[in-house]
Amino acid sequence: AQTVTQSQPEMSVQEAETVTLSCTYDTSESDYYLFWYKQPPSRQMILVIRQEAYKQQNATENRFSVNFQKAAKSFSLKISDSQLGDAAMYFCAWPGAGSYQLTFGKGTKLSVIP
Amino acid sequence: DAGVTQSPTHLIKTRGQQVTLRCSPKSGHDTVSWYQQALGQGPQFIFQYYEEEERQRGNFPDRFSGHQFPNYSSELNVNALLLGDSALYLCASSPGTEFFYNEQFFGPGTRLTVL
Repeated sequence: AQTVTQSQPEMSVQEAETVTLSCTYDTSESDYYLFWYKQPPSRQMILVIRQEAYKQQNATENRFSVNFQKAAKSFSLKISDSQLGDAAMYFCAWPGAGSYQLTFGKGTKLSVIP
Repeated sequence: DAGVTQSPTHLIKTRGQQVTLRCSPKSGHDTVSWYQQALGQGPQFIFQYYEEEERQRGNFPDRFSGHQFPNYSSELNVNALLLGDSALYLCASSPGTEFFYNEQFFGPGTRLTVL
């Protein structure tokens, strides 16, 4: 079974500081994509960042970047210069090869302290 | 562009009843996926519709069924409701091709409470 594990149910960060959210996954595939989604308290989930497994370079989107360790099957999300609006649930997700479903982790609730 | 819309926002039903949830995908998207999100959990895949057919199904009983219309909108039906069906039901849309790397656009969800 395809699994995605987020081992940090809750995290907190001071405003303007940096925080890293962890995610591990299990697959035997060689090419795939990985995603981080954000679900703010208003509930609508949005894509934060995506990473292609074949690319060596870690993806970056403004203050959001990933640390992708393919051999370790690890896909961490780093948020720099944290802002109050970053407070949300963050989900790691991936679609298995040949699959049409996204498998999500259980999520990490991030709180930002002013 | 209105994005993905879902109706109703909230719904309260009693055990044994039936419910229908509705979703309109983002303009230009022809694929609709449904997810169930229990409180404090990640979304669980129910099924996906493409070209008016169920393309893939997750580990949900037959009480969960769906439909996609020619305009790509979709319905999720749940029969014989159980207390455990209480959850946030999310609809997501995407282009039909190359699913494995396309962004999923999510609606705000329908909060279903079964009493």
